[in-house]
Amino acid sequence: AQSVAQPEDQVNVAEGNPLTVKCTYSVSGNPYLFWYVQYPNRGLQFLLKYITGDNLVKGSYGFEAEFNKSQTSFHLKKPSALVSDSALYFCAVSGSQGNLIFGKGTKLSVKP
Amino acid sequence: DAGVTQSPTHLIKTRGQQVTLRCSPKSGHDTVSWYQQALGQGPQFIFQYYEEEERQRGNFPDRFSGHQFPNYSSELNVNALLLGDSALYLCASSFGRGQGRPQHFGDGTRLSIL
Repeated sequence: AQSVAQPEDQVNVAEGNPLTVKCTYSVSGNPYLFWYVQYPNRGLQFLLKYITGDNLVKGSYGFEAEFNKSQTSFHLKKPSALVSDSALYFCAVSGSQGNLIFGKGTKLSVKP
Repeated sequence: DAGVTQSPTHLIKTRGQQVTLRCSPKSGHDTVSWYQQALGQGPQFIFQYYEEEERQRGNFPDRFSGHQFPNYSSELNVNALLLGDSALYLCASSFGRGQGRPQHFGDGTRLSIL
């Protein structure tokens, strides 16, 4: 069965510092991986995806993610965090017919 | 260009009642999926509709049913509501089915069961 794991419930970062939100995956075959962000009382917003190709994927709002096949990881990164980046972040893997399988989420808190 | 729209935004029901939630997909999208997000959890896949048929289903009982209309909009119906059905219900749309297609989400319907 396909799954993703987000080992951290919360990540705290100071504004201007780099941030990393971790995700590991377990799939049979090639992984199709996604990151979404959720602000309070809102739906999920698509940030980026990995299908194939370059291991460094660039997405919206300055976010990027690094795919590492040997470590089965797909960590989300940003060089300089903003207070407005504070939100809930979800890693997901695509099932065989397109359904998304989500991790439990990581709360990112960026302090001024 | 309107994104995914869901109605209503909030709903309060009592145990045993039934409820219908509605979703209009993003313009140009033909596939609609529904997810349940319990408090503090990631979204869980309920089912997916394409060409007016249920194409894939997650681990949810038959009390959860749906429909897709010719204009691609969709409904989620839940019968015999339980307290555990309290959650945020998210609709997501995409163009076509299959792996690797980003899904665009609405802001959800917050369902509370008393």
